[in-house]
Amino acid sequence: AQSVTQPDIHITVSEGASLELRCNYSYGATPYLFWYVQSPGQGLQLLLKYFSGDTLVQGIKGFEAEFKRSQSSFNLRKPSVHWSDAAEYFCAVGSGGGADGLTFGKGTHLIIQP
Amino acid sequence: KAGVTQTPRYLIKTRGQQVTLSCSPISGHRSVSWYQQTPGQGLQFLFEYFSETQRNKGNFPGRFSGRQFSNSRSEMNVSTLELGDSALYLCASSFQAGQQGEQFFGPGTRLTVL
Repeated sequence: AQSVTQPDIHITVSEGASLELRCNYSYGATPYLFWYVQSPGQGLQLLLKYFSGDTLVQGIKGFEAEFKRSQSSFNLRKPSVHWSDAAEYFCAVGSGGGADGLTFGKGTHLIIQP
Repeated sequence: KAGVTQTPRYLIKTRGQQVTLSCSPISGHRSVSWYQQTPGQGLQFLFEYFSETQRNKGNFPGRFSGRQFSNSRSEMNVSTLELGDSALYLCASSFQAGQQGEQFFGPGTRLTVL
């Protein structure tokens, strides 16, 4: 069965500093990987996705993620965070075909210090 | 283009009752997926409908059911409510089935079971 681990429940970063959120997945075949962001009272918004090809993926709001098959990781990065980036971030894995839907990690709560 | 809408946004029920939640996908989208979000279990896949047919179902008891109409609107029903059913229920729509197409999430329905 597929699974996703986000090791950091909370992360605190100063505004303007760089950010890296970790994600490790377990999946038998080539995974479809996603990062979503959820602000309080809101649904999920897709930041970026990886299906195949270039392992460095660019997303919205200045985020990027790198797929590393050897490490089963798909870490999310941003060079300089803004106060508006404070939110809950979810990594997810899917089979592409849709079997079992998306499997999400438990999320990382990002706090931005002024 | 209007986003995914979910009604009602908030709902309070008592144990043993049943509830129906509604989701209207983005115009032109034929796939609707449902997820349950709780603090303990995180985001869990309930089921996916495409063109009025259930494609996949997550690991939930038979009390959880759904359907999709010819206009792609979807409803999910939970019968014999239990306290543990208190959650945020998210609906996501996509043009394609599975995860090859981007899933757009609604704001969710917050269900509280007393």
